[in-house]
Amino acid sequence: DTAVSQTPKYLVTQMGNDKSIKCEQNLGHDTMYWYKQDSKKFLKIMFSYNNKELIINETVPNRFSPKSPDKAHLNLHINSLELGDSAVYFCASSPKTGTGLYNEQFFGPGTRLTVL
Amino acid sequence: AQSVSQHNHHVILSEAASLELGCNYSYGGTVNLFWYVQYPGQHLQLLLKYFSGDPLVKGIKGFEAEFIKSKFSFNLRKPSVQWSDTAEYFCAVNALKAAGNKLTFGGGTRVLVKP
Repeated sequence: DTAVSQTPKYLVTQMGNDKSIKCEQNLGHDTMYWYKQDSKKFLKIMFSYNNKELIINETVPNRFSPKSPDKAHLNLHINSLELGDSAVYFCASSPKTGTGLYNEQFFGPGTRLTVL
Repeated sequence: AQSVSQHNHHVILSEAASLELGCNYSYGGTVNLFWYVQYPGQHLQLLLKYFSGDPLVKGIKGFEAEFIKSKFSFNLRKPSVQWSDTAEYFCAVNALKAAGNKLTFGGGTRVLVKP
């Protein structure tokens, strides 16, 4: 069983379109994340949700809007796609211990977004 | 703000050679440290992690890393690499703060092991 899954795996679209990427984890984790990996393989966090509540929101254009319908899902919606949005987007999740400390993050397979 | 630097962008070596990848971070407080590996076309997988205790940690696939607090370093090592170790390796740091669990990644090191 896949622990952290993302759909779609590949997404090719035109500039200006709106698209969504879905993420689901079946690990029972409280916290989920979105990361962007650019063409140089540099990984940077975009958002983090804990129990459906936004806790990390890095400097990301407001065309990107995460949505967490429940703690097992964190979707990423992108409006008015631009060429520079082309990247691999990784979802991740982690448990939160009783002390409030977090643990390692488990990553999904990634979604390769290509904007033409 | 915390930052992570990996000294080598590309490493090429032959099978059975020893591997050491450098990682330094900048943050004065308590940190959790990780090494992730990304095989070609795949997602990130955890190799090993340091939270506390013995600064020499052993991970999967024969990898180990040593946390040297005074040097703000967490270098990854493997005594004898295999062709299957060809991958991108990422060092990551989580500074223990009140809000969130923000992993800051280094720029990655691409390792190519020649058969």
